[in-house]
Order: sequence, then structure tokens, then C-alpha cells
Amino acid sequence: DSGVTQTPKHLITATGQRVTLRCSPRSGDLSVYWYQQSLDQGLQFLIQYYNGEERAKGNILERFSAQQFPDLHSELNLSSLELGDSALYFCASSRVTDYGYTFGSGTRLTVV
Amino acid sequence: AQSVTQLDSHVSVSEGTPVLLRCNYSSSYSPSLFWYVQHPNKGLQLLLKYTSAATLVKGINGFEAEFKKSETSFHLTKPSAHMSDAAEYFCVVSRSNNAGNMLTFGGGTRLMVKP
Repeated sequence: DSGVTQTPKHLITATGQRVTLRCSPRSGDLSVYWYQQSLDQGLQFLIQYYNGEERAKGNILERFSAQQFPDLHSELNLSSLELGDSALYFCASSRVTDYGYTFGSGTRLTVV
Repeated sequence: AQSVTQLDSHVSVSEGTPVLLRCNYSSSYSPSLFWYVQHPNKGLQLLLKYTSAATLVKGINGFEAEFKKSETSFHLTKPSAHMSDAAEYFCVVSRSNNAGNMLTFGGGTRLMVKP
């Protein structure tokens, strides 16, 4: 167990629907990152939050949004889902003094 | 800007033979570099990291990597492959912001180990 918890592990939903992925960071970590891993795009950085505030944005679609709550857990919301959104979504967390991240085990999203 | 190129998308070795996974990076400053491993249907696990200390870095499971600034390389090696090493390996370069680290991943190298 890495200390980063992601739920659910698997999610199957239909096109056009909306889903929420949840991440609880490692204890003491203030930064949370979301990544998307797909066969054609590889690992793509989506967004970073630090202590509740958005700090960096990557290749995140406008249909996607995220937030980090006061207890530091984070949620990634994906709406108007398309087949191409099917992917493994990873959450990771870190401290400012860390090098690298601790990753969760991911949520596999399948859009049918 | 920073980028990472993993020179081989697939590497196949026999059990007990050496492993070499190649990585070149581009960075406008002194980088921090990492190797992560991902086993099938699993998350990403840190193998080792280079953070401007010793250029030869030892990681878990017998892996090591050497930072060569002149060649902008950070190749991953292991003297003797095990079947359990079959996985996808990612070379990663890091850039710090004032809230943490931004990681840029290479495209990955799938290591296959033949019995």
C-alpha cells in the first residue's frame, strides 16, 4: 500500500455521462496530481492542487474539472464522457521537499 | 522546457542476462531524474531517483542507473533479469514549482523476460 488511495478501482459508464474519481493523498502530503494514462497518449499530466488551490494545469479538457478539499482529498470530475476518455486515471501526492511522487493504484475508466 | 526520450519501446531479454533500458533527457537546468516501474494492471512504483548527488544511483530489486550529463542520458541497468522484472518502465524528469514537482514521463519501455 503506497498510502495514496483511489476509488473506485474500476468504473464502467456510458457516453455522455458524468463520473467522479476520488483520491486520498498520503498522510502529510499537501500536493495532489492527476494523470491520465491511455494507450495512444501515454502518461499525461492533467492538473495539480496544493493545499486546496490549483497550482498547475496540463492537458486537461474543459469537460474535466478537479478540486481539493480542506481535508486534502481530491476529486476529478469527468463529464460528457466520450469513448476516447477510456483510460487509467492516476492520482499522486507529494510534499514540497519530496523528489518524485507517490502514486495510487489508479481508477480504470471504461466508457461504452 | 523538459522532455524525456526512451529509445526503445520494447526490450526482450532472457532470464539471467543483463538488462539495459535507455533514456535521454532534455532540460534547461539541473534535472532530477527517476525511473518508475508499472506491472500489469498496477500503479507506478518508484525504482530509483537521481537528485544531483552520486551519479550512479542504486534502486530497488537490483536496478541501478547512471546519470551522464555530457550524454544527457540516464540509462537503467540490471546485471541479471528475473521473470518478475517483466513490466513497463518509465524514465521521468522532474521540475520543481513552489508547491511540489512536475514530472514529465517518457513514452515507456516494455521489458519482456524470456525463460
